[in-house]
Formats: sequence, structure tokens, C-alpha cells
Amino acid sequence: EAEVAQSPRYKITEKSQAVAFWCDPISGHATLYWYRQILGQGPELLVQFQDESVVDDSQLPKDRFSAERLKGVDSTLKIQPAELGDSAMYLCASSLESSGYTFGSGTRLTVV
Amino acid sequence: AQSVTQPDIHITVSEGASLELRCNYSYGATPYLFWYVQSPGQGLQLLLKYFSGDTLVQGIKGFEAEFKRSQSSFNLRKPSVHWSDAAEYFCAVGVAGGNKLVFGAGTILRVKS
Repeated sequence: EAEVAQSPRYKITEKSQAVAFWCDPISGHATLYWYRQILGQGPELLVQFQDESVVDDSQLPKDRFSAERLKGVDSTLKIQPAELGDSAMYLCASSLESSGYTFGSGTRLTVV
Repeated sequence: AQSVTQPDIHITVSEGASLELRCNYSYGATPYLFWYVQSPGQGLQLLLKYFSGDTLVQGIKGFEAEFKRSQSSFNLRKPSVHWSDAAEYFCAVGVAGGNKLVFGAGTILRVKS
């Protein structure tokens, strides 16, 4: 069964440092999403890509977060500088139209 | 604005007992509705989805959900719970043509033997 790949699985970083996460969606899925899940809450959309274009980044804290999907395939989410409140699970998902979303296993970020 | 409410933060059921997890949504248009399950430290696995048609939807692992438009609800059910069902369950509504998911806060299911 096809999967969404994410790396790393776990990341510990000091506040004010830069950190990056990588996502490889299911082959052929044009839409890619980054969600943030704070402990005890449901996931919240950060950014949505359609191919290489950003469709929705209204909830992305653009002063410190950036996301790119240069060739319309894999994607990178970056935080610079990281803050304590960024500690969360970062989930990537991909979809083919509205057939449903497949989530990756996530990256658990701890900022110390 | 669209929102999803899962009224129960925690639910404990005995193994073999039936289960119902509640979900209410607020959305002005016809909703796309989803249930996901998440084990600790893992990503989200899709249990079932409703787009249109039959309001009783069958999913994986013996789960089903019923869409009730009049009550703005999409409750998840299972007739007999197994210990392996212990996890956190999220209800979500798809907005913007189903291309963006808005999640509830989740319900943690504990199964006692």
C-alpha cells in the first residue's frame, strides 16, 4: 500500500535554531498538506499545495515558517527560529482530488 | 465558520461492549465527513468517509458511521470493541470542496478487559 513518507520521525532542537521537515507524498497525488497537531488537540492545516503552487497558507506563521514544493513532488517545511510553542507533531498528507487524504506518520518536534 | 465538536474527551468501554463516539459539525454547505484513528505517536488512519448517498457508511475494522443532516451529526459506532481499538479518534469535516480538513479535538478511547 502506498504511503506518505516523512522524515525525521523525531527532532529535538533548541529554541532560536532552524529546523526542517521533509515529506514525500504518494506518487501522483497533486495535493499536499502540512498540518500541525499540538498535544491534546486535533490537527490544524498550515499549508496546502496544488502541484508546486500554494493554495492556502492562511494559518502559516509566515514570520518564522516557510514551505516549498519546488517540483510539485516532495515538500519541505522549515521553522526559523524555532520557539518553545512550536513543539508539536507535524503531519504531512496527500490526496487525489477529494477521494480522501493519506497521512504520513508525522515528525514529532520538541523545542527545548 | 466551520467547526467540529467532539463532546467526549475520554470514553472507557469494556471489551466486547458497543461503542458510539459523537461528532457534531457546523458547516453551511454539504459536508464531506471523515473519521480518523490515531495511535500514540503515529499518524492518522482513515476509518471511513461520507461524501454523498447512503447516510450509513461502513469503514475498516468493523466501524460504521451515520450522517444525520437534521442533527448535524456524524457519530461513529462499533458493535463490539476490541482491546486493539484503544486509540484517539478524530472527526473531521472537509471544506473548500473537500480540500481542507477541519478536525475536532478528538476522543480518547480506553478499553478495559
